[in-house]
Amino acid sequence: GESVGLHLPTLSVQEGDNSIINCAYSNSASDYFIWYKQESGKGPQFIIDIRSNMDKRQGQRVTVLLNKTVKHLSLQIAATQPGDSAVYFCAESSYNQGGKLIFGQGTELSVKP
Amino acid sequence: DSGVTQTPKHLITATGQRVTLRCSPRSGDLSVYWYQQSLDQGLQFLIQYYNGEERAKGNILERFSAQQFPDLHSELNLSSLELGDSALYFCASSPSTPVGGYTFGSGTRLTVV
Repeated sequence: GESVGLHLPTLSVQEGDNSIINCAYSNSASDYFIWYKQESGKGPQFIIDIRSNMDKRQGQRVTVLLNKTVKHLSLQIAATQPGDSAVYFCAESSYNQGGKLIFGQGTELSVKP
Repeated sequence: DSGVTQTPKHLITATGQRVTLRCSPRSGDLSVYWYQQSLDQGLQFLIQYYNGEERAKGNILERFSAQQFPDLHSELNLSSLELGDSALYFCASSPSTPVGGYTFGSGTRLTVV
């Protein structure tokens, strides 16, 4: 069935280092991808998105890379800060799915001071 | 404040009971999505409404139902509750379907005892 999975369930980095969170998706028809950050007790917060006609998109300290050939998505966080500690989810969607997002299991990012 | 309002924030109820969760979407958003988040299942899509009509269904149990009213707020009804229904229930809204920005509320934590 459809699934979006993450390669690493936990990631621990030093403050100031760059973080890379990976995600594999299975639906080749997906054409829209989003990364969300979820802090304890809060709802998922939008970080960055990318459409399937792009392979890279940059935001403030974050970059999303999309490799459609191997169905892989990654989130890069530059100069990771303690406030970046959270669970990160990738999600995919497609026109044929009517807009519903399919989420991966999540990666917990822990930033050590 | 994301603009998506969910009430109540916390709910404790007994097995066999019925509860109603409420969601007010962000102003101008026509689509409402409901998700269930439990520890072992991640974020699971339940159902989507667009401008009052059901648009997509996910892994929603027959004991669960939802609707979207003319003022666009939505309610998720959970009946014959079981211990396994304990989870965080999130509502998200978006301005259009099928793809677009999804904004999540802060969720309702349901505990069934």
